[in-house]
Amino acid sequence: ETGVTQSPTHLIKTRGQQVTLRCSSQSGHNTVSWYQQALGQGPQFIFQYYREEENGRGNFPPRFSGLQFPNYSSELNVNALELDDSALYLCASKGGNSPLHFGNGTRLTVT
Amino acid sequence: AQSVTQLDSHVSVSEGTPVLLRCNYSSSYSPSLFWYVQHPNKGLQLLLKYTSAATLVKGINGFEAEFKKSETSFHLTKPSAHMSDAAEYFCVVTPVYNFNKFYFGSGTKLNVKP
Repeated sequence: ETGVTQSPTHLIKTRGQQVTLRCSSQSGHNTVSWYQQALGQGPQFIFQYYREEENGRGNFPPRFSGLQFPNYSSELNVNALELDDSALYLCASKGGNSPLHFGNGTRLTVT
Repeated sequence: AQSVTQLDSHVSVSEGTPVLLRCNYSSSYSPSLFWYVQHPNKGLQLLLKYTSAATLVKGINGFEAEFKKSETSFHLTKPSAHMSDAAEYFCVVTPVYNFNKFYFGSGTKLNVKP
């Protein structure tokens, strides 16, 4: 059974740029969600995708957007990067009423 | 509405002594509750889950937690700490009817002294 994998592991961007983070869900999982974890804080829910449709969103601005593909993998896109976007971005997948299974995250640094 | 409060931001214990990490929740509906562990620069790993079955839940690595509805608590315990337990621990709640929104506590950092 393949777990949740995220790429890249680390990324450095400049303020105002755009970034795309990628996530492959665990085998058999059709739901993917994204979380932002700032340094020293708990993960904050960004949004969730189920069968290629967004079906839940946290308190994040529209410059945070996403996609889910037919194979249930997913992308998180962030436009007009700000310094406060620096964080660990976690992808999690689940199937039905299972718990979340997390990837190891992408560490984004915005300078 | 759902929310989680982890009562201690830092806990320090000696190796071989018991661990207690405290979590209180608030939920408008019957909750499902989870504990996750996060080692530095890693993702979160599920330790255990409560989903309205037995109130005492056993997890991996010797951890367990007890769901107490009257106290709205779901504290995590382990009889004997090991150095490898040093990590950050998150308590998470979701409504049992809707596994689509997971609410995280702010985390408890566990330090284990030799």
